[in-house]
Amino acid sequence: SQQGEEDPQALSIQEGENATMNCSYKTSINNLQWYRQNSGRGLVHLILIRSNEREKHSGRLRVTLDTSKKSSSLLITASRAADTASYFCATDEGTYKYIFGTGTRLKVLA
Amino acid sequence: DAGITQSPRYKITETGRQVTLMCHQTWSHSYMFWYRQDLGHGLRLIYYSAAADITDKGEVPDGYVVSRSKTENFPLTLESATRSQTSVYFCATNPSPGQGNTIYFGEGSWLTVV
Repeated sequence: SQQGEEDPQALSIQEGENATMNCSYKTSINNLQWYRQNSGRGLVHLILIRSNEREKHSGRLRVTLDTSKKSSSLLITASRAADTASYFCATDEGTYKYIFGTGTRLKVLA
Repeated sequence: DAGITQSPRYKITETGRQVTLMCHQTWSHSYMFWYRQDLGHGLRLIYYSAAADITDKGEVPDGYVVSRSKTENFPLTLESATRSQTSVYFCATNPSPGQGNTIYFGEGSWLTVV
């Protein structure tokens, strides 16, 4: 079974609002990464958070990690229409097999 | 510098035929991966390779064969294609997963098995 499960599966918001998506995983990890996928394209790396970190920021992105709950969240602030994409979390257990979740489809309405 | 090149980008094949999807990288990254993406399943790891001549199974390896005789190439072969293997296939690389480096993805190969 897959390591990561994103929630919600789909999210629709107005431009300027914040978007929050969550990722849950099942086993201990070394790090967790978030990726973005525009329709019909490959995935692009957004941000990485290590298991000993609790929060990380990159531009309009804020990622949190709670290893006790085996969960992570990705917050996109002041969303734009160009943020419309699917977002995936990926976890590394230390076995070098990166396992991806099912993704959250975000639609930002102008 | 294309980074990761997948070919073919689009392929239609018949059930039972052998199909090979090619993946070539220009970075000399150690690790290479093959994922398939299906609606409702996200990305699932098929096979991965830590270096030339070192490969290992991922989550869904059945029906697939890989090889890695050279660092830069990681072909994925469907020995006898089935309709359930209709999917989008992504090749990816990582310079050093133990350091938590970024995974880089190709643009995907759309495969339809009829």
